[in-house]
Amino acid sequence: SQKIEQNSEALNIQEGKTATLTCNYTNYSPAYLQWYRQDPGRGPVFLLLIRENEKEKRKERLKVTFDTTLKQSLFHITASQPADSATYLCAPLEDQGGKLIFGQGTELSVKP
Amino acid sequence: GAVVSQHPSRVICKSGTSVKIECRSLDFQATTMFWYRQFPKQSLMLMATSNEGSKATYEQGVEKDKFLINHASLTLSTLTVTSAHPEDSSFYICSARDPGADTEAFFGQGTRLTVV
Repeated sequence: SQKIEQNSEALNIQEGKTATLTCNYTNYSPAYLQWYRQDPGRGPVFLLLIRENEKEKRKERLKVTFDTTLKQSLFHITASQPADSATYLCAPLEDQGGKLIFGQGTELSVKP
Repeated sequence: GAVVSQHPSRVICKSGTSVKIECRSLDFQATTMFWYRQFPKQSLMLMATSNEGSKATYEQGVEKDKFLINHASLTLSTLTVTSAHPEDSSFYICSARDPGADTEAFFGQGTRLTVV
């Protein structure tokens, strides 16, 4: 069956450091992989999308990599700030109109 | 970006009653909307895909008679939790894609349902 795994344990880092979050998937052949941010009591907010033919994508302090051989995506936040504290969700997508299934999310806490 | 509005944000109801949650796409037309539920400290679980003008597609294990979905127009989908029980208490979130945008999904702000 299809499975999406993210770091289950919360990630605690110091302000200014780089946070790295992992998303592994099995029994998927995603054409896209999306990352979302969710704050407590709110709906997720889209951050970045990476396509299967892209190795890396950047947006401001965010960087996403996508390794279809390893079946893994890494999500990096550089120069992290306390405001980056949230839960981050990944969602592999097999086709453009497909439904979004999320990993369990990784809770990131950035301490000042 | 596109906006999806969900209402109400919080609702408390008595056991045995029904509750309706609305999800609207404010500045785009959504032929498809998605309904999720989320328990504390857990991820979003897809319940069903709502299709405008046709029946919803439910995920395995989701009772279609309990969670009624209606997608009567291109901007509105509703989820009705029928005969609610305390175990239905959860955070319900809808999402939609803007056909004019890429594959990203836009989410409502969620509805916190408490059944007492």
